[in-house]
Amino acid sequence: QQQVKQSPQSLIVQKGGISIINCAYENTAFDYFPWYQQFPGKGPALLIAIRPDVSEKKEGRFTISFNKSAKQFSLHIMDSQPGDSATYFCAASGDFGNEKLTFGTGTRLTIIP
Amino acid sequence: KAGVTQTPRYLIKTRGQQVTLSCSPISGHRSVSWYQQTPGQGLQFLFEYFSETQRNKGNFPGRFSGRQFSNSRSEMNVSTLELGDSALYLCASSLLQGNEQFFGPGTRLTVL
Repeated sequence: QQQVKQSPQSLIVQKGGISIINCAYENTAFDYFPWYQQFPGKGPALLIAIRPDVSEKKEGRFTISFNKSAKQFSLHIMDSQPGDSATYFCAASGDFGNEKLTFGTGTRLTIIP
Repeated sequence: KAGVTQTPRYLIKTRGQQVTLSCSPISGHRSVSWYQQTPGQGLQFLFEYFSETQRNKGNFPGRFSGRQFSNSRSEMNVSTLELGDSALYLCASSLLQGNEQFFGPGTRLTVL
């Protein structure tokens, strides 16, 4: 029940295109859903996060769409750039006192010119 | 503001040895969490400390332990190292008992 399922495992997108990564969760106690970006040799960097009281959050070229009834959320990267090539992890955590992050398995995104 | 720092960045140990990893959170942050990252298991939660108290613990054997000091710095220890302990160990800090966690660069542990 603690699992977060992420797809696809890898994704190749042309420069300027839209990259879409999907995640699904089972635990209805989750109430915080961040996305992290990780480059080789680096720690994960917080990209954007959402709580279930909104269905969408946008920050620059990055948008999270959240569907509470389906228990799914996704990351959209608009106008994808070669510098976006990295591994992306979705995650979920619970409320106060249970903030440990449960991560998806990651998506390796490659943006080709 | 400086980010989360972890030392050392790389470690090579042999089976049976023990190791201590260190984490300094972002200034003012009081919560520190530890995660293990491996190609096979992905990112897995180890434990979380707040105000020198362990608040949450993941499903790892007792060989994995940690502590937090009064200045919020944290250490984790792994005793009787096994080959499967080879991983990137990541530390994350958050301001209070909140959700926004910021990760350090990690310590790459190789067990031979």
